[in-house]
Amino acid sequence: QVQLQQWGAGLLKPSETLSLTCAVYGGSFSGYSWTWIRQTPGKGLEWIGEIDHSGSTNDNPSLKSRITMSVDTSKNQFSLKLRSVTAADTSVYYCARRGVTVVRGVLNIPYNYYYMDVWGKGTTVAVS
Amino acid sequence: DVQLTQSPSFLSASEGDRVTITCRASQGIRSHLAWYQQKPGTAPKVLIYAASTLQSGVSSRFSGSGSGTEFTLTISSLQPEDFATYYCQQFNSYPFTFGQGTRLEIK
Repeated sequence: QVQLQQWGAGLLKPSETLSLTCAVYGGSFSGYSWTWIRQTPGKGLEWIGEIDHSGSTNDNPSLKSRITMSVDTSKNQFSLKLRSVTAADTSVYYCARRGVTVVRGVLNIPYNYYYMDVWGKGTTVAVS
Repeated sequence: DVQLTQSPSFLSASEGDRVTITCRASQGIRSHLAWYQQKPGTAPKVLIYAASTLQSGVSSRFSGSGSGTEFTLTISSLQPEDFATYYCQQFNSYPFTFGQGTRLEIK
């Protein structure tokens, strides 16, 4: 059973860099995209970005200029750095796996359907 | 970005009730929608993907429907463990946005 274990600093000062790492245990690292999501009471769930085992990324444009994501395939780990944090970045940060199921549609054309099927426990990050 | 609007934002219901939550997309997203359940202090748990496919291990009380811009999550007969917050998420285009959530509470 796949499990995600995440860690990182929980208290930052404004302008510092948030740094989180997520380790994947018990399953394949390649073949999936690995995602960062954050949650605040006011803004709800926000998709931050994702990275695959080759290091290819997709970012949320609202955060793109401040984000760096990386992957260490030798350790089955992926990481997030968010620069120049402010109080608005105070959130619970989750790492998660983007699962995929292929469904054959009309004319037997395959379609990929995605969902976040494995989540870390979350890391509370406060900026003050 | 695709905006997802859930309604209602808050729902009060009794055990045994049938409830429906709606998620509307600001543009067509075909069937690229998932539903999650979240309980306080825990990460979301996927219930439905591809708008209507039940995730393995999830109770058949949960069902999803819709395509394009309007989607629904239905819980056929509420059980005590179903009182939680529910979110939709679209995977049609980046960034993969979420709805604002529907909080389901015991009447």
